[in-house]
Amino acid sequence: GAGVSQSPSNKVTEKGKDVELRCDPISGHTALYWYRQSLGQGLEFLIYFQGNSAPDKSGLPSDRFSAERTGGSVSTLTIQRTQQEDSAVYLCASSLGAGLDEQYFGPGTRLTVT
Amino acid sequence: AQSVTQLGSHVSVSEGALVLLRCNYSSSVPPYLFWYVQYPNQGLQLLLKYTTGATLVKGINGFEAEFKKSETSFHLTKPSAHMSDAAEYFCAVVHTGGFKTIFGAGTRLFVKA
Repeated sequence: GAGVSQSPSNKVTEKGKDVELRCDPISGHTALYWYRQSLGQGLEFLIYFQGNSAPDKSGLPSDRFSAERTGGSVSTLTIQRTQQEDSAVYLCASSLGAGLDEQYFGPGTRLTVT
Repeated sequence: AQSVTQLGSHVSVSEGALVLLRCNYSSSVPPYLFWYVQYPNQGLQLLLKYTTGATLVKGINGFEAEFKKSETSFHLTKPSAHMSDAAEYFCAVVHTGGFKTIFGAGTRLFVKA
């Protein structure tokens, strides 16, 4: 079956522009996560969606970052007024439930801010 | 706050040698513990996990890990390395009853012929 997909795979943008990153989770998975992976760093938790519950946004680094999940499926991560330090690989993962369920990761979106 | 420490950002072993990748966590209660692997140009995938029960957990591709509460460790081992094991390995923890996953910085494994 289809795995988690993300688009675009690569995005180059100029400092100050807004970007939208998309994640299509595995059908039927209620939990969706966004992470950021910077060079030489581990995965940094950004935000978590579970069903119809309010998302946990505690990992978002600033108010320039926001995310939505429409209809319990597709999610969009938006970064406004991008900065060079936003350059990283943004990973999306989904799981059947939360906590101890295996997370299935997408291939990521590599964002470069020039 | 929970944290995960992976000792050694890079580990190099010879083909056929023992693989040992170290992971220590800090948590007031035993968390759920995971190892994920990221092969070159591929997404992360689960190697194994510990939730409850037997502390020695076996995963895919011959890997196993042992949860040691007294040492707050969850080291990953494989008796004999194969060239195809070259990848980046991430240890992760989830607080029991929670969902937020904290990942370590990762250890890149190199396997020499």
